[in-house]
Amino acid sequence: GAGVSQSPSNKVTEKGKDVELRCDPISGHTALYWYRQSLGQGLEFLIYFQGNSAPDKSGLPSDRFSAERTGGSVSTLTIQRTQQEDSAVYLCASSLAPGYYEQYFGPGTRLTVT
Amino acid sequence: GENVEQHPSTLSVQEGDSAVIKCTYSDSASNYFPWYKQELGKRPQLIIDIRSNVGEKKDQRIAVTLNKTAKHFSLHITETQPEDSAVYFCAASIGGNQFYFGTGTSLTVIP
Repeated sequence: GAGVSQSPSNKVTEKGKDVELRCDPISGHTALYWYRQSLGQGLEFLIYFQGNSAPDKSGLPSDRFSAERTGGSVSTLTIQRTQQEDSAVYLCASSLAPGYYEQYFGPGTRLTVT
Repeated sequence: GENVEQHPSTLSVQEGDSAVIKCTYSDSASNYFPWYKQELGKRPQLIIDIRSNVGEKKDQRIAVTLNKTAKHFSLHITETQPEDSAVYFCAASIGGNQFYFGTGTSLTVIP
């Protein structure tokens, strides 16, 4: 079946602009995660959604970052007033449920802030 | 929050040799430890995981060991092959909610 998809695959934006990154999880997966992967770094946890519960936003680096998940499916990560340090690959992952389940990652969105 | 450290950052081995990657974690409440493999230009994929109620888990050439007292866990790959070349990430989680990843180990298997 279809895996996790993300769009756009690449995004170049000017400093100060807002960007929206989209994630389509695997159908039926209730848990959805956003991570940031900077060059040579590991995956930095950003935010986690479980079904209709309030998201765990504890990993968001600043109030310029926000995310929502509509109808328990598609998720959008928004970065306002982008800064050069926001340049990274943003990965989305979904799993059948929270807990001891495999996370299936999307291909990522490479964000470059100029 | 949780802090996961991973060593080494790069590792080169001859084909057929073993490779060991080590991770330490800080939060004793962490109870789930997956390992992901990321090939160049591809997305991370789960290769093995372990829960805190066991000390070791094996899957063919891959094994993971966990020492809860010392708060460290390791990935062991035996009889390495060129297709094992990739970046490997460890992670720690409390009940599978937040996941904290290490910074990755770039493994190169030399034919």
